[in-house]
Amino acid sequence: GQNIDQPTEMTATEGAIVQINCTYQTSGFNGLFWYQQHAGEAPTFLSYNVLDGLEEKGRFSSFLSRSKGYSYLLLKELQMKDSASYLCAVRVNNQGGKLIFGQGTELSVKP
Amino acid sequence: NAGVTQTPKFRVLKTGQSMTLLCAQDMNHEYMYWYRQDPGMGLRLIHYSVGEGTTAKGEVPDGYNVSRLKKQNFLLGLESAAPSQTSVYFCATRDKGIRPQHFGDGTRLSIL
Repeated sequence: GQNIDQPTEMTATEGAIVQINCTYQTSGFNGLFWYQQHAGEAPTFLSYNVLDGLEEKGRFSSFLSRSKGYSYLLLKELQMKDSASYLCAVRVNNQGGKLIFGQGTELSVKP
Repeated sequence: NAGVTQTPKFRVLKTGQSMTLLCAQDMNHEYMYWYRQDPGMGLRLIHYSVGEGTTAKGEVPDGYNVSRLKKQNFLLGLESAAPSQTSVYFCATRDKGIRPQHFGDGTRLSIL
């Protein structure tokens, strides 16, 4: 079966660093994607990994270990506007590139 | 450049009514997807299309039908709406290769 786990909620302080973890068990893995979703809005793409290692994009970085079925999203220099839900999604082979989403991690940034 | 446009944005239906949700894209993407998002459930794939004239079932296809007669449009139909179909529906599109999906703003559907 397909299973993706991420923490339901996290809280962090403005200016700090936070790491959101995602573990997965899927067949036909073909990439891991991170999305940000503010309340009442559409998901927006942040980062993705196909190979092991770290991908850095400004204040956001994403890491993947395929052998461990593990990824994390790192947010640096947190801002109040980073309060949102962060969605981990696995792309699978041969099914139109469909994504299987985790339930999302609700991040609250406090002053 | 509108990207991915979903209509309507909000709708209230009575049980047993039918309706069609429209997703239109101007990015010339081959792949299109319909998801529903419910509290505590995450995004779940209903149906998808890998190109004009093609459709395929996702994880939760029951009670829904789709059509992709034109490349730029992907329609999601509810033939006989049920309260369990109350949800937020998102359309997404993707270019060829390992590319991210781009989402529309969603349709908030309530069925009484």
